[in-house]
Amino acid sequence: NAGVTQTPKFQVLKTGQSMTLQCAQDMNHEYMSWYRQDPGMGLRLIHYSVGAGITDQGEVPNGYNVSRSTTEDFPLRLLSAAPSQTSVYFCASSYRVQTDTQYFGPGTRLTVL
Amino acid sequence: EDQVTQSPEALRLQEGESSSLNCSYTVSGLRGLFWYRQDPGKGPEFLFTLYSAGEEKEKERLKATLTKKESFLHITAPKPEDSATYLCAVQPAGNYQLIWGAGTKLIIKP
Repeated sequence: NAGVTQTPKFQVLKTGQSMTLQCAQDMNHEYMSWYRQDPGMGLRLIHYSVGAGITDQGEVPNGYNVSRSTTEDFPLRLLSAAPSQTSVYFCASSYRVQTDTQYFGPGTRLTVL
Repeated sequence: EDQVTQSPEALRLQEGESSSLNCSYTVSGLRGLFWYRQDPGKGPEFLFTLYSAGEEKEKERLKATLTKKESFLHITAPKPEDSATYLCAVQPAGNYQLIWGAGTKLIIKP
C-alpha cells in the first residue's frame, strides 16, 4: 500500500493564481481531511470529508474548496492564492472519523509571492 | 476557549539523558488525547491515544501518561533517532474535531 500520497511536493504561485493540491489514499478510508501547518501554530483543519460526496468546513476554510467524488481522492483547490496561504499542507485519512488513527501524507510546501 | 499548549518549544538532550515533554489542555470535557511524531519534511505519524486520567501507554523508549489537565511524554535513554517534533492533539467532548498543540522539537545529540 502506498498509504496517503500528495502532489506536488513543492509549489510556488503568484498572488491571484489558482491551483489544485492532489491527495489520494489506497486504504479505503472513509474520512479524509486537509490541514495547514504554520510555524509556531498547531495543525489547523481546512476541510474534511466523511465519505464520497460529503464534505464540510473545518476551522480555516476561506479561500479553499474541496470535492470528494471517489473514496480515494480528495483534492484541495486554492481559488485565488494570497500570501497568507503560504504554508505546508497535509492531507490525512482515517478509517471512519478524525479521531481514529490518522495517516498523513508527506505534505505540500506552498509559497505564494 | 478550548486550548492545547505544549512545552517546552524545543528540548536538547544528550543521548541517554531521560526527560519529559508536556501537553497541557483546557477543554470542556476530554474524549481523547493523541500523540504524534513528525520528522522534518514529513507528515505526522501516530504514536498513542489516551482516553482517561491515569492511563499510560508505552512504545519502545516512549511512555505517555494522562492526568485531568495534562499529558506527559516521557522519553527514557533517548537515541539520536528519537529526534523529531512531537505533536499533541485533544478531542473535546461532543466534538470530533481535534485541537492541536504547536509541538515540541526534540533534539538528541550523540
